[in-house]
Order: sequence, then structure tokens, then C-alpha cells
Amino acid sequence: EAGVTQSPTHLIKTRGQQATLRCSPISGHTSVYWYQQALGLGLQFLLWYDEGEERNRGNFPPRFSGRQFPNYSSELNVNALELEDSALYLCASSPGTSGRNNEQFFGPGTRLTVL
Amino acid sequence: GESVGLHLPTLSVQEGDNSIINCAYSNSASDYFIWYKQESGKGPQFIIDIRSNMDKRQGQRVTVLLNKTVKHLSLQIAATQPGDSAVYFCAEKDDNDYKLSFGAGTTVTVRA
Repeated sequence: EAGVTQSPTHLIKTRGQQATLRCSPISGHTSVYWYQQALGLGLQFLLWYDEGEERNRGNFPPRFSGRQFPNYSSELNVNALELEDSALYLCASSPGTSGRNNEQFFGPGTRLTVL
Repeated sequence: GESVGLHLPTLSVQEGDNSIINCAYSNSASDYFIWYKQESGKGPQFIIDIRSNMDKRQGQRVTVLLNKTVKHLSLQIAATQPGDSAVYFCAEKDDNDYKLSFGAGTTVTVRA
């Protein structure tokens, strides 16, 4: 069974540009979570999508946004990039809210560097 | 606010010894806890989980202990191996929220 996949692996942008990161969940999983991991720090929750809808978002400005497609894959968009947005962006998936199996499986991440 | 944290940021352990990684949490409503292992350049990998109705759970070479009275979680790794060198995160969620809250992580280094 394929795990969570993310693309691209690395992304280099300059300040003010926009970045789009992509995530494909494990087959059958309906929930997708996005986390930001700045260098040397823990994971900070960004966004949660389930069944195509945004269910919850973390303490991040509105320039961080995303969506979930009918096939449950997801995009994270970061507008007006700032230097401090440089981080590893991790996507995780889980079977969704229908049961209590809330284990989240992580992808390898996208390393975003803002110059 | 509610947070999950780790007692020590680094742990150095001799190969073959047992490792104990500690985690404190403050959300008394938390009902589900996970330990993740993150190797350099990779995403977090699930190790073991435990629900609040349990106080101990064992996996292969790993044991998670949960003390709800003092809101403390620990991960024990038996016979630590070089491949266990990584950053270990505890994460928690409560029954009213599906997101996980992560601690800052403990870096475990295994000495040969």
C-alpha cells in the first residue's frame, strides 16, 4: 500500500511569491492535515480537511490556505511568502472522522526555502 | 494555553541500553497519545499509540506508559540500536478535536 506522498520535495521561492504544495493521502483516507515544522522545532498544526471541507485551522495568517479535491488529495497555498515561512511542510492523512482510529500517517514533507 | 512538551531536548544512550523519553502534557481532556520518530530529512513515523483508558501498551521493543494523574507520558525503547537515533515527538489530542498537538521533540543519539 502506498503511503502519503508529497510534491515537490524541495521548493525555492523569493519573498512575496506564492507557493503551492501538494499531498496525496493513503488510499481510503478522507482526512488530510497540514503541519509546519520550522528548523529544529516541533510540528505546528496548520489545516485539517475532511471530505472536501476545511474542518479546523491553526494559528496562522490567512495567506496560508488550501483545499481538498474530490479524490481527497490536497493543496496548501502560501501567498506573499516571507522569510520565516521557510520550513518543512508535512502532510498527514487518516481514515477520517467516522471512527476513533485517529492515527495520522505522515508524508516525507516539502522543504520550502524562501530567499 | 494547552501544550505538550518534553522534559529533555536531548538524550544520549549507549547501544544496547534501554532508553526512556519523557513527555508532559497539560490538556486534561486529552484522550489519545502517539509517539512519533523522525529521522533526518524524513517525515514523522508512527511508533506506538495509547488511549486514555490504558496506562501501558507494548510494541516491538517499545513500551508507552501513561500516567493521567500527573499528565505524563513516556516511551521506553529496549536494547537501543544505532537505527533508533532520531528525534522523538509525543503528540496528543482530545475527544473534541481531531488535530494532534506536538511537543518540541527529544533528540536521541545512540553511542556505539
